Amino acid sequence: DAGVIQSPRHEVTEMGQEVTLRCKPISGHNSLFWYRQTMMRGLELLIYFNNNVPIDDSGMPEDRFSAKMPNASFSTLKIQPSEPRDSAVYFCASRTSGRETQYFGPGTRLLVL
Amino acid sequence: TQLLEQSPQFLSIQEGENLTVYCNSSSVFSSLQWYRQEPGEGPVLLVTVVTGGEVKKLKRLTFQFGDARKDSSLHITAAQPGDTGLYLCAAYNTGKLIFGQGTTLQVKP
Repeated sequence: DAGVIQSPRHEVTEMGQEVTLRCKPISGHNSLFWYRQTMMRGLELLIYFNNNVPIDDSGMPEDRFSAKMPNASFSTLKIQPSEPRDSAVYFCASRTSGRETQYFGPGTRLLVL
Repeated sequence: TQLLEQSPQFLSIQEGENLTVYCNSSSVFSSLQWYRQEPGEGPVLLVTVVTGGEVKKLKRLTFQFGDARKDSSLHITAAQPGDTGLYLCAAYNTGKLIFGQGTTLQVKP
């Protein structure tokens, strides 16, 4: 079975540009999570969805960040405009609601110059 | 302030040595998870402990949940280079999974 799929795996962009990260959760999972990992702050939850509905976005750093889940098999995390401090690895994870195990994708390594 | 404090942050040992990684909190959790993350990959769940005092073994890895369900430890016996990676403890808090800062383990051949 395919795991969580993220694209792109690497993204290098310049400050001020729009960045869109994509995630396809495991089929049948109805909860989806976006995390950010940095050396300084570790792994932090940004936002999560249940049944395509955003439940908690309190971890989204600021209005420059937005996330959508138009259907059960696709989600995006957008940063507009991007800043150098957004450089990090962004992970998507999914799980079946009610189960504790989350399955992580391989991450997108973002570098904003 | 981290809700889950891990120690040590970094550990570099020789193959064959034993080691213990700690995860501490002042909060009580219904369960606690341990993940391993290899370079360029996402975290992968190793184990979930749910009962105070519980001990779980996964080959050479032994996980223990504290009696008060506030802390946990991971012990690796006879470490191998394949054990190299970032070890993260995690627990659910108000419905969200929170992570410790992690312990970076390097096992040298």
